[in-house]
Amino acid sequence: AQSVSQHNHHVILSEAASLELGCNYSYGGTVNLFWYVQYPGQHLQLLLKYFSGDPLVKGIKGFEAEFIKSKFSFNLRKPSVQWSDTAEYFCAVDHLTDKLIFGTGTRLQVFP
Amino acid sequence: NAGVMQNPRHLVRRRGQEARLRCSPMKGHSHVYWYRQLPEEGLKFMVYLQKENIIDESGMPKERFSAEFPKEGPSILRIQQVVRGDSAAYFCASSPGDRINTEAFFGQGTRLTVV
Repeated sequence: AQSVSQHNHHVILSEAASLELGCNYSYGGTVNLFWYVQYPGQHLQLLLKYFSGDPLVKGIKGFEAEFIKSKFSFNLRKPSVQWSDTAEYFCAVDHLTDKLIFGTGTRLQVFP
Repeated sequence: NAGVMQNPRHLVRRRGQEARLRCSPMKGHSHVYWYRQLPEEGLKFMVYLQKENIIDESGMPKERFSAEFPKEGPSILRIQQVVRGDSAAYFCASSPGDRINTEAFFGQGTRLTVV
């Protein structure tokens, strides 16, 4: 079955540190890729998405992600995190069906 | 334009009771998706509905769970005779078209606790 793996379950950083969250998926065909963020007490919001074209995707709030097809990866990055980035981050994959497959999420805590 | 509204935000039920979770999609959206998040797990697809139709219920447990999206009113996820293992966060998403990956928006979720 198709799956999405997020290897970092809990990440703790100080402000201004760089961030990279890993995401790997198991499907070998055409995929659409997403990163969602859930701030405490709020709904999931789309950070960025990749459908085709430039594999380096820029999203909101300074986040970016790179699609590396050969590695089945779509890692999320931010050069300098802020306290307000504290949230849970979900990677999701759509194999051109009507449902997104989510990873288990990564909880990010940023300390001032 | 209000976002996807889910209520209640928190729901406590005793084992054997029924739980009803409501989801009002964004204005103009006719497609609704339900996801469940069990503790320490990712969001898992449950069901995809359009107005008055269930399109894909491949993620729904075979018993006790049902969903509807009537012509008027919110989408309802119903869990009969709840058990402790039903405790989870249930998220609803809506989109205007038939592809969640383009313009889907999520609600804040309903956290169900079965005691």
